[in-house]
Amino acid sequence: SQKIEQNSEALNIQEGKTATLTCNYTNYSPAYLQWYRQDPGRGPVFLLLIRENEKEKRKERLKVTFDTTLKQSLFHITASQPADSATYLCAPSRGFSGTYKYIFGTGTRLKVLA
Amino acid sequence: EAQVTQNPRYLITVTGKKLTVTCSQNMNHEYMSWYRQDPGLGLRQIYYSMNVEVTDKGDVPEGYKVSRKEKRNFPLILESPSPNQTSLYFCASTRGSGSSYEQYFGPGTRLTVT
Repeated sequence: SQKIEQNSEALNIQEGKTATLTCNYTNYSPAYLQWYRQDPGRGPVFLLLIRENEKEKRKERLKVTFDTTLKQSLFHITASQPADSATYLCAPSRGFSGTYKYIFGTGTRLKVLA
Repeated sequence: EAQVTQNPRYLITVTGKKLTVTCSQNMNHEYMSWYRQDPGLGLRQIYYSMNVEVTDKGDVPEGYKVSRKEKRNFPLILESPSPNQTSLYFCASTRGSGSSYEQYFGPGTRLTVT
């Protein structure tokens, strides 16, 4: 069955450093991959989408890479700030040409220390 | 303001007492979805709907029902709730094909079944 793995250990980094989060998937060939941010007790908020034919996508301090050979996406936050502390979820998908299902990883909790 | 609303936000009920959690979106989105989120298991899709009168099972549909009679509404029905359905529930919507497939999530409904 499809499996999405994110580092379940919390990631603590110092303010100003770059945070790198990993999303690995198996038994799946997503057409694209989304990243969401979730704060405690609140619904996830969409951040970025990257398609299978894109190697890298950027948005302000965020950067996402997508390696379909390694079956992995990396999510980077540069110049991290305490306000970036949250849980980050990845969600690979085939889009609306197939199963129509969304599958989420369990998320990685990021804590940026001032 | 574009949003997804859910009601109630908090609910404590007893085993076997039927309940409905409402979900409404004001963005004219075709696709709507229900998730449950449990510690260590992440977000799991319960049911989704591609459009009015079109619904399908997600990964964990047992014990739940849905209906989509209007485009804006997608209620989740628990006919006979059990304690293992205690969870945090999220409704989400997305525009569909031709979009970035980003999902807009509601604020969540915390359900406790005793």
